[in-house]
Amino acid sequence: DTEVTQTPKHLVMGMTNKKSLKCEQHMGHRAMYWYKQKAKKPPELMFVYSYEKLSINESVPSRFSPECPNSSLLNLHLHALQPEDSALYLCASSLGSGGPFGELFFGEGSRLTVL
Amino acid sequence: GNSVTQMEGPVTLSEEAFLTINCTYTATGYPSLFWYVQYPGEGLQLLLKATKADDKGSNKGFEATYRKETTSFHLEKGSVQVSDSAVYFCALSGGSEKLVFGKGTKLTVNP
Repeated sequence: DTEVTQTPKHLVMGMTNKKSLKCEQHMGHRAMYWYKQKAKKPPELMFVYSYEKLSINESVPSRFSPECPNSSLLNLHLHALQPEDSALYLCASSLGSGGPFGELFFGEGSRLTVL
Repeated sequence: GNSVTQMEGPVTLSEEAFLTINCTYTATGYPSLFWYVQYPGEGLQLLLKATKADDKGSNKGFEATYRKETTSFHLEKGSVQVSDSAVYFCALSGGSEKLVFGKGTKLTVNP
């Protein structure tokens, strides 16, 4: 199994809603990532979890709250988002963090629209 | 800091044409280099990689050689197909948890 699975694929929410994005991998990877991708731009790193601990937060606003319940699961909790937060949210995993490899396995993304 | 510069395109080619997408990098130490591809409506997929100087990564007819002397990792394919239409990202891993991406190059292949 070499997949990273993200749900939902599409999400529409109002600015006062609370929702969550979910990500799952069963490759035994110990690092998991959230990226945000706007149209025609490269992915921007938001958070990195390494061995279930938050290791990088790229100064992301607190309306985005990550959670890593176990080594296979990664959530992104969303609350009081703004329309400019509309984007494709990509989850990724890697065998470990750092080191010479850096090969990431990406999910297909959750396309978020904030009204 | 580490950075990647790639030609932004868009690039439009006819089927069976030769493809080159240029990528150069700036990094301290010995980074690993990657090409990722993003098909319309999908996430990113690793296309190929090289982890040390003079390594050649290859996959699906695409090739790229890690050139330390010119700090380059250009993507090439001898004969593109319509199905190769996608956005291609050059990326660098400097040994930290951060993958540094280029801005992406959109390729359109016409029949």
